[in-house]
Amino acid sequence: QKEVEQDPGPLSVPEGAIVSLNCTYSNSAFQYFMWYRQYSRKGPELLMYTYSSGNKEDGRFTAQVDKSSKYISLFIRDSQPSDSATYLCATAAVNTGFQKLVFGTGTRLLVSP
Amino acid sequence: SAVISQKPSRDICQRGTSLTIQCQVDSQVTMMFWYRQQPGQSLTLIATANQGSEATYESGFVIDKFPISRPNLTFSTLTVSNMSPEDSSIYLCSFVGGFYEQYFGPGTRLTVT
Repeated sequence: QKEVEQDPGPLSVPEGAIVSLNCTYSNSAFQYFMWYRQYSRKGPELLMYTYSSGNKEDGRFTAQVDKSSKYISLFIRDSQPSDSATYLCATAAVNTGFQKLVFGTGTRLLVSP
Repeated sequence: SAVISQKPSRDICQRGTSLTIQCQVDSQVTMMFWYRQQPGQSLTLIATANQGSEATYESGFVIDKFPISRPNLTFSTLTVSNMSPEDSSIYLCSFVGGFYEQYFGPGTRLTVT
């Protein structure tokens, strides 16, 4: 079993839709959660990070963590064609100093005009 | 945040040869990391590179295959030695920011024939 599971997609939505991207993790030691966006042939770009359960909002993006169910989500409101990319969730444990990131495989998102 | 760059951006190499990938950050950073991103798979940490000390390798990665240098606080190199087609991958370097967040370079796309 992978430590972080993520549906690879692709997830296709029309412009303006609300997008929900999800990951599950297996290790209770994971305490730090991140979402990255990766455009084709580019490096991962950090979107959001959080340490705690609950929601964290940044513009059109909301990251949600539920530690009790080991479930993390990224919501994108009013999705745009420019949001078309692969979204990677990542997590890290405190005993690694939050430095050894464990990634999901990424979900490919396609937003059509 | 600091800017991170990698050279080369891509290369095609013959099996049995070696390739050295350079990673440059435009400010001093303590920790740098090297990851591998194979098609359809998660980003996987290869090793952690601290200035002035030997790199720390993750399970499944060895120094003879992936020697790393970290001569100063802004620069690191990863060498992929005695390459085989299985080494075809994207190699990424990263560094840690002020709140444990990691920022990635653009990646080096390696194809081994």
